[in-house]
Amino acid sequence: EVQLVESGGALVQTGGSLRLSCAVSGFPFSSHWLTWVRQAPGKGLEWVANISPDGSRKYFMDSVKGRFTISRDNARNSLYLQMNSLRVEDTAIYYCTRDVAYGYLDSWGQGTLVTVSS
Amino acid sequence: QTVVTQEPSLTVSPGGTVTLTCASSTGAVTSDHHPNWFQQKPGQAPRALIYSTNNKHSWTPARFSGSLLGDKAALTLSAVQPEDEAEYYCFLYYGGAQLNYVFGAGTQVTVL
Repeated sequence: EVQLVESGGALVQTGGSLRLSCAVSGFPFSSHWLTWVRQAPGKGLEWVANISPDGSRKYFMDSVKGRFTISRDNARNSLYLQMNSLRVEDTAIYYCTRDVAYGYLDSWGQGTLVTVSS
Repeated sequence: QTVVTQEPSLTVSPGGTVTLTCASSTGAVTSDHHPNWFQQKPGQAPRALIYSTNNKHSWTPARFSGSLLGDKAALTLSAVQPEDEAEYYCFLYYGGAQLNYVFGAGTQVTVL
């Protein structure tokens, strides 16, 4: 059974940093693109970033470029999102997802809540 | 900035049919955008319904179908059931040097 379990969400002040983790099991971790998607309270979904199977390619939405980094540890079956210079508008549930191909996000975690307070 | 547009809300009667659409600010939506559709119910994580225009996930009911309709992607719900009441999101792939993806704002489908 495919499982993705996010952790690391917390309340943080503007300008602060946070590292989200996603523990993955149930499929060959090192074979898949992985994606972070977020959802602000009461709002829609936003694609945040993704990373290639070997970690060499990484892409970000414009508003987080230069502030967020994405990484993975294929030995530990884990995905990470390092978030720096956090803004109030980064407040959201952050979901870890598996991308089978071209945005086919077939598996999702339950999400972890990040709250950025001024 | 690329914008993907969906109807904000639609209402359908049980047993009826409703079509949701997904437009791109860059022009016609084609199979190269690999349109994906996700369903989200309150308090739950989204789940995949349709990928690459018209392919169904293993749990996608047969009454859901994806297509291209004119210059948009479309999701049609036929013989709608009360449990189909949910938010539906379109998700498009925009390739190129700066690989990126964009979600639509979502369509709230009410079964009434």
